[in-house]
Amino acid sequence: DQQVKQNSPSLSVQEGRISILNCDYTNSMFDYFLWYKKYPAEGPTFLISISSIKDKNEDGRFTVFLNKSAKHLSLHIVPSQPGDSAVYFCAANDSWGKLQFGAGTQVVVTP
Amino acid sequence: NAGVTQTPKFRILKIGQSMTLQCTQDMNHNYMYWYRQDPGMGLKLIYYSVGAGITDKGEVPNGYNVSRSTTEDFPLRLELAAPSQTSVYFCASSYRRGSYEQYFGPGTRLTVT
Repeated sequence: DQQVKQNSPSLSVQEGRISILNCDYTNSMFDYFLWYKKYPAEGPTFLISISSIKDKNEDGRFTVFLNKSAKHLSLHIVPSQPGDSAVYFCAANDSWGKLQFGAGTQVVVTP
Repeated sequence: NAGVTQTPKFRILKIGQSMTLQCTQDMNHNYMYWYRQDPGMGLKLIYYSVGAGITDKGEVPNGYNVSRSTTEDFPLRLELAAPSQTSVYFCASSYRRGSYEQYFGPGTRLTVT
């Protein structure tokens, strides 16, 4: 049973514009959420995270928003750059300290 | 500081063969993890370890075994390989439980035919 869902498998955005990636979850016990970025033939790398007690966390061009009542989080990338072209995974930490991952969203930033 | 390293990068196995995927980390992390990623899917946890000598099953442990004799190494053993084990395998480590950021190796692409 997939507890973390990324319903958009791909996203194409122009360079300089905003990228918005979405993630939904079903388990209300998740207490921490993370976004990972993955390039081809490499392992995922940590991008940004947010605790369940917050609704926003910002780090440079990356902002994560959490809506607990809707069990929804989003990642905003502003402005998008060619180097942002990658697969982005949403992950949630369960009460056992293990991460549940979404299926990923492929972002393509076009010139 | 190499981080998390995995060998081999690629491997083709015949059905019924066995192999060990190697994982080493040099960050002195207590927690280590093995995931598999199938096409179009997220990462699924196979096994994890909270320290040397302690391992536990994740979401998809069937067909795999692990051991953790040192802090640095966490090998994953496939016995009697099956086509369903064709996947990309990632090893990861983290400093402690509650340090939710995990550091991943580059992955091993395994094909079973």
